[in-house]
Amino acid sequence: NAGVMQNPRHLVRRRGQEARLRCSPMKGHSHVYWYRQLPEEGLKFMVYLQKENIIDESGMPKERFSAEFPKEGPSILRIQQVVRGDSAAYFCASSRQNTDTQYFGPGTRLTVL
Amino acid sequence: AQKITQTQPGMFVQEKEAVTLDCTYDTSDPSYGLFWYKQPSSGEMIFLIYQGSYDQQNATEGRYSLNFQKARKSANLVISASQLGDSAMYFCAMREAAGYSSASKIIFGSGTRLSIRP
Repeated sequence: NAGVMQNPRHLVRRRGQEARLRCSPMKGHSHVYWYRQLPEEGLKFMVYLQKENIIDESGMPKERFSAEFPKEGPSILRIQQVVRGDSAAYFCASSRQNTDTQYFGPGTRLTVL
Repeated sequence: AQKITQTQPGMFVQEKEAVTLDCTYDTSDPSYGLFWYKQPSSGEMIFLIYQGSYDQQNATEGRYSLNFQKARKSANLVISASQLGDSAMYFCAMREAAGYSSASKIIFGSGTRLSIRP
């Protein structure tokens, strides 16, 4: 049973470009969560999605960031016009129910030059 | 508001010794869950152990146990017989159960970096 998959594992972008981060949840999991980890800090919740629905985006910056979890395919976290402060590790987690344990993917390390 | 506090930024422990990583939390919700995750230098987040607020017994998973003291709002992780492979960052985390969407948020502490000496 494959775990949570994230790609790419490392992503380098120049300021102003767009970053697309993908997350495929574990088999049987329909709840997806995105977290951001700045260097030497804990993870911070960004957004919680179910298939085709954003349930809670209270941790998402109001501008430039968006997330989706379409009926088919992976969940996408999209960052437009990236800035240096967006450099971080972005983790996706999934669970079967929203109250279940969340299992994390390996993360995508975004570096903005 | 929810809060998780880990007061030990770093710890050094001799191999084979037991180690306790401290975690205190704050919540007004009577129903909540507590987690510990391990993050090795490779960066992935590995789930270790879970304790529900209404669980009568302390959670155990192999060499990991959670010393849950509800009145003190503490959820310390105990690792018995430490191994070199235990060197990593350890994060304490909490989720409140009230409300459908709020149950989705896991709040993480700032972490403790554990280093095991041979």
